[in-house]
Amino acid sequence: EDQVTQSPEALRLQEGESSSLNCSYTVSGLRGLFWYRQDPGKGPEFLFTLYSAGEEKEKERLKATLTKKESFLHITAPKPEDSATYLCAVGVDSGGSNYKLTFGKGTLLTVNP
Amino acid sequence: DAGITQSPRHKVTETGTPVTLRCHQTENHRYMYWYRQDPGHGLRLIHYSYGVKDTDKGEVSDGYSVSRSKTEDFLLTLESATSSQTSVYFCAISVQGNTGELFFGEGSRLTVL
Repeated sequence: EDQVTQSPEALRLQEGESSSLNCSYTVSGLRGLFWYRQDPGKGPEFLFTLYSAGEEKEKERLKATLTKKESFLHITAPKPEDSATYLCAVGVDSGGSNYKLTFGKGTLLTVNP
Repeated sequence: DAGITQSPRHKVTETGTPVTLRCHQTENHRYMYWYRQDPGHGLRLIHYSYGVKDTDKGEVSDGYSVSRSKTEDFLLTLESATSSQTSVYFCAISVQGNTGELFFGEGSRLTVL
């Protein structure tokens, strides 16, 4: 069974204090790992796609990396506006032309000024 | 802005009543999805559509049906709502085929009493 585990469940940082969020996965036939940001009361917002181990993507203060077993979302010098829940999802082939996307439960990030 | 509108945004109903949630997109993207989000769970796929009148089940489809008579509209129906269907429902579209790069609506919060 495909599994996606995000840690920690919640993380509280001071403004400027860099850290990383983890997404570990157990799937066969990875066809992509996806990061989303979700603000309270809103739908998830797509951030990044990673396809293969060693790949990295950056956007402002965020950098996502991928290994064969996990992905990290590194947050450099965060600001209060980076506070949100960050979701990870993995995509796999599920037979034929079908595609299955499995989401983790998310990490709630709070950045204090 | 992917031009996704969900309605209603909030609804309170009683057990046993039918409920229909609507998702409308302003572009002609082929793939549309309905997810539910509950505390302690990741986003879970209910049903998805890959074209007009073409739909398929997701991992939590029991108790739900969908219809897509026009490209722009994807309806989710609870034939007889139960308290376990109290949730936040998100519609999503994919602009690049059936992938994990999804654009979500703002969500519909449903409470079944």
